[in-house]
Amino acid sequence: EAQVTQNPRYLITVTGKKLTVTCSQNMNHEYMSWYRQDPGLGLRQIYYSMNVEVTDKGDVPEGYKVSRKEKRNFPLILESPSPNQTSLYFCASSLSGAITGELFFGEGSRLTVL
Amino acid sequence: AQSVTQPDIHITVSEGASLELRCNYSYGATPYLFWYVQSPGQGLQLLLKYFSGDTLVQGIKGFEAEFKRSQSSFNLRKPSVHWSDAAEYFCVGSGGSNYKLTFGKGTLLTVNP
Repeated sequence: EAQVTQNPRYLITVTGKKLTVTCSQNMNHEYMSWYRQDPGLGLRQIYYSMNVEVTDKGDVPEGYKVSRKEKRNFPLILESPSPNQTSLYFCASSLSGAITGELFFGEGSRLTVL
Repeated sequence: AQSVTQPDIHITVSEGASLELRCNYSYGATPYLFWYVQSPGQGLQLLLKYFSGDTLVQGIKGFEAEFKRSQSSFNLRKPSVHWSDAAEYFCVGSGGSNYKLTFGKGTLLTVNP
């Protein structure tokens, strides 16, 4: 089954404790992206990747890192999480891009930073 | 600035009634426009998209949207709503970048039996 898988789905952590949210897709998609969703703000793009080893900042990249060493994986790294990073995170992928291809979303990872 | 605006935060309709969700855009040229739906506890799913050409676009689940340049709008419609349509709907736009999308803040749809 074609899917985008995120882990963990739920996480409660404390300020400053490094964490990684994994994202994996099995559709051989070139484009992958991370978003955060906050009440009343919609989705905002954090980082995106056009292909292996090619990443770029979205609208809200501060406090996050990403890597794309393999085509299928696009982990989101929070080196030193802070409470303002409490949010619902979505990973998405597309065959060729955000507008030339259909975006497929994971089910989301709800992160709470205390 | 390029933006997408959804004026309605929350809309309630009765099952079987018609539905129209509003979306206004602000782009210099003809934008790429999309509607996505987020069911409770799920990721987002593409309903339909507009790139150019016919201004009335058909999507999945019986939805359609009409691009109106004169009104800078891309409203989503459905003639008869089903209880399973209860979800949050996002209007999404791009000025041409294949890498960045701008999401509206969403409209939460409640369907009464």
